[in-house]
Amino acid sequence: DGGITQSPKYLFRKEGQNVTLSCEQNLNHDAMYWYRQDPGQGLRLIYYSQIVNDFQKGDIAEGYSVSREKKESFPLTVTSAQKNPTAFYLCASNQYTGAQHFGDGTRLSIL
Amino acid sequence: KQEVTQIPAALSVPEGENLVLNCSFTDSAIYNLQWFRQDPGKGLTSLLLIQSSQREQTSGRLNASLDKSSGRSTLYIAASQPGDSATYLCAVTLVTGSARQLTFGSGTQLTVLP
Repeated sequence: DGGITQSPKYLFRKEGQNVTLSCEQNLNHDAMYWYRQDPGQGLRLIYYSQIVNDFQKGDIAEGYSVSREKKESFPLTVTSAQKNPTAFYLCASNQYTGAQHFGDGTRLSIL
Repeated sequence: KQEVTQIPAALSVPEGENLVLNCSFTDSAIYNLQWFRQDPGKGLTSLLLIQSSQREQTSGRLNASLDKSSGRSTLYIAASQPGDSATYLCAVTLVTGSARQLTFGSGTQLTVLP
């Protein structure tokens, strides 16, 4: 089945540690996105990529980094510079301006 | 800056009722509007996508309308069922140069009581 796979489902970060969230899609979509969701709030865009080897900052990119070396993969690194990383992280993809498809999310917490 | 508002934040209805969820946006220069469903602890499931040139889209018991000029969209759910209980989010796509970005509302949490 085509879809988006995010891993791990739960992740814990220690003080000063960088952690990487995985996002893989087999939908052959060009564009991929990372969102952050906090309780009671809508989704906020962290980074997006419209094509391999290119990505753009979203509204809340500080403390995060991404790479897009392959079409199907768009990993997100939460760096130690992100002081409030506890949130639900969602990855999405689409083709041009078609419907965005989402993974099941990664919940990140601080130890 | 585009802002998307969803009212009400929460809604509780008895099973079988027809209901309407509202979404408003401040910038009418949208490319399309999408309605999603989110179950607790899960990702988003796309329900309906309305292009800016369209007035409505239908899928089963769901009907979404779009009025760009007034900055409004509604999601109509007919004959609601307990399985419809979830958070419903709307999002608009803005086009800025070559970039396509979605802006989300905060969602309406729907509970359908058996």
